[in-house]
Amino acid sequence: KNEVEQSPQNLTAQEGEFITINCSYSVGISALHWLQQHPGGGIVSLFMLSSGKKKHGRLIATINIQEKHSSLHITASHPRDSAVYICAVYTGTASKLTFGTGTRLQVTL
Amino acid sequence: EAGVVQSPRYKIIEKKQPVAFWCNPISGHNTLYWYGQNLGQGPELLIRYENEEAVDDSQLPKDRFSAERLKGVDSTLKIQPAELGDSAVYLCASSISRGKLFFGSGTQLSVL
Repeated sequence: KNEVEQSPQNLTAQEGEFITINCSYSVGISALHWLQQHPGGGIVSLFMLSSGKKKHGRLIATINIQEKHSSLHITASHPRDSAVYICAVYTGTASKLTFGTGTRLQVTL
Repeated sequence: EAGVVQSPRYKIIEKKQPVAFWCNPISGHNTLYWYGQNLGQGPELLIRYENEEAVDDSQLPKDRFSAERLKGVDSTLKIQPAELGDSAVYLCASSISRGKLFFGSGTQLSVL
């Protein structure tokens, strides 16, 4: 079992829908990243959080340390949100990131 | 401010040839990572530097891969000789210690 699990693996939504991507981890962490990767493109860090909730535009990230779970929400989804969303966690005291396998999101008109 | 700069963007080589990738991290970022990413999978760490010191290279195939980060700034990742299975995207990222990560656009390597 991977230390970082994401669900769903693939997600198709219509423009305007509210989207939730989940990340569960089985190890103690110091922080969690949500990353976005467009096809053929580099990776952009969306959020880094260790507790609570962060919001940036239409994106919201939450984390529950006790339940070892984080969610990424996209409100009013748009085709340009189509990308792979990756959850990654810092484990232990080292600056080592463990990545989930990603959620491929396709938003259609 | 410039982001993480990687070059080349694409590289096509024949197997058994050497290849090198270059990364210039964001100014002031002491931590530098090299990742390999296969199609449809998440990035996998190859090596992590804290300044000029390689602090985690446990996943680096040292028989053919090498890396250096002279003066704790730019870094080079080399493969010699390249094998077919090395075809992947090689990503460089930097951060201030365990802060927010910034990724370069990657180098897509095709080994024929």
